Amino acid sequence: AQSVAQPEDQVNVAEGNPLTVKCTYSVSGNPYLFWYVQYPNRGLQFLLKYITGDNLVKGSYGFEAEFNKSQTSFHLKKPSALVSDSALYFCAVRANDYKLSFGAGTTVTVRA
Amino acid sequence: GAVVSQHPSRVICKSGTSVKIECRSLDFQATTMFWYRQFPKKSLMLMATSNEGSKATYEQGVEKDKFLINHASLTLSTLTVTSAHPEDSSFYICSARGRTGRMEYEQYFGPGTRLTVT
Repeated sequence: AQSVAQPEDQVNVAEGNPLTVKCTYSVSGNPYLFWYVQYPNRGLQFLLKYITGDNLVKGSYGFEAEFNKSQTSFHLKKPSALVSDSALYFCAVRANDYKLSFGAGTTVTVRA
Repeated sequence: GAVVSQHPSRVICKSGTSVKIECRSLDFQATTMFWYRQFPKKSLMLMATSNEGSKATYEQGVEKDKFLINHASLTLSTLTVTSAHPEDSSFYICSARGRTGRMEYEQYFGPGTRLTVT
């Protein structure tokens, strides 16, 4: 079975500071990893994905994620957070049948 | 980019009635659509997977007779909540994956439908 874990329910940062949202994964075989963001009462927006290739993946809105095989992690990062980045973030892993398994989600609050 | 729409965005219905939610892929052919349910401040729970022209595959614990899924075309899937009860109140989100020409699309999500059963 494939799964991801997001160890933090909440992350609070000040605007302009670096933002990191943690995700670890457990898969058999090659991991297909995703990050999504959800704003209140909205669907999920795709941020980025790792399939293969460079360990540093760049995505939308200035976000990036680093795939670390030895630590089985896929942390989401942004060098300088904005108040508008405040949202619910989900890490997900894709199985061979294209089903996604989501982490519990991390609520990010960026204070002005 | 790929766009997935859902309709309606919000619906309130009386207990015992049925509600239909539509999910459309607007600019690509969705060979597979997924239906999720999300409780407040919780993660998404996959309810079922539907492939165009075939019966939906339901996840364990999801009542197939209560949540009817139809994927009649490559751009439309519907979820019908039959004989809805207050415990069915939730945020329902669909996603679609597929292709247009040689372009493959990973799962793109609709904006969600807030169902409230009174």
